[in-house]
Amino acid sequence: KNEVEQSPQNLTAQEGEFITINCSYSVGISALHWLQQHPGGGIVSLFMLSSGKKKHGRLIATINIQEKHSSLHITASHPRDSAVYICASAGWGGSEKLVFGKGTKLTVNP
Amino acid sequence: GAVVSQHPSRVICKSGTSVKIECRSLDFQATTMFWYRQFPKQSLMLMATSNEGSKATYEQGVEKDKFLINHASLTLSTLTVTSAHPEDSSFYICSAPAAGTSGYGYGYTFGSGTRLTVV
Repeated sequence: KNEVEQSPQNLTAQEGEFITINCSYSVGISALHWLQQHPGGGIVSLFMLSSGKKKHGRLIATINIQEKHSSLHITASHPRDSAVYICASAGWGGSEKLVFGKGTKLTVNP
Repeated sequence: GAVVSQHPSRVICKSGTSVKIECRSLDFQATTMFWYRQFPKQSLMLMATSNEGSKATYEQGVEKDKFLINHASLTLSTLTVTSAHPEDSSFYICSAPAAGTSGYGYGYTFGSGTRLTVV
């Protein structure tokens, strides 16, 4: 059974700081997802990774398959980045259900 | 991009009544829909997986007679909470695999969620 763990659980930063959120998983996966959940509950899919690194604006996601570890980085953080960030692992096949981490609550202060 | 439209966003109902939540895929066909429940400050928990034209698959501990799922078309999946009780109060959210989401390949798109309060 795959277990997904995130750290830290809570993170407070000042505007402009570089943010790193970590995610580790216990078994081989087909892909690792990073999601953003806003205070109202809505969820946005940020990245899907199977190897290497991806960048989208100020967000960077990396994954190390051998170490079963992924990181989400936010450069030049802004108060609007405040949200819960969730990593989720996907098994094999196109419609495999996701296994979610417990999320990291990020608060960026102005 | 692929969008899942979920309604209602909030609902308050009396104990014992039933509530239907709809998730529609816009601009793509959702052959599979995942239904999740999230209690305050907890992670998303998968309740069931619905597949168009077949019976839903429920996770262990989820009562299939209480949480009725229908996926009658490629663009609509519904979750009905029957005989709702206060302990069913939660945030319910659906998700479908969709090519092109996450901007990169075969990701998932989520509905906006339904906050159910049973009084």
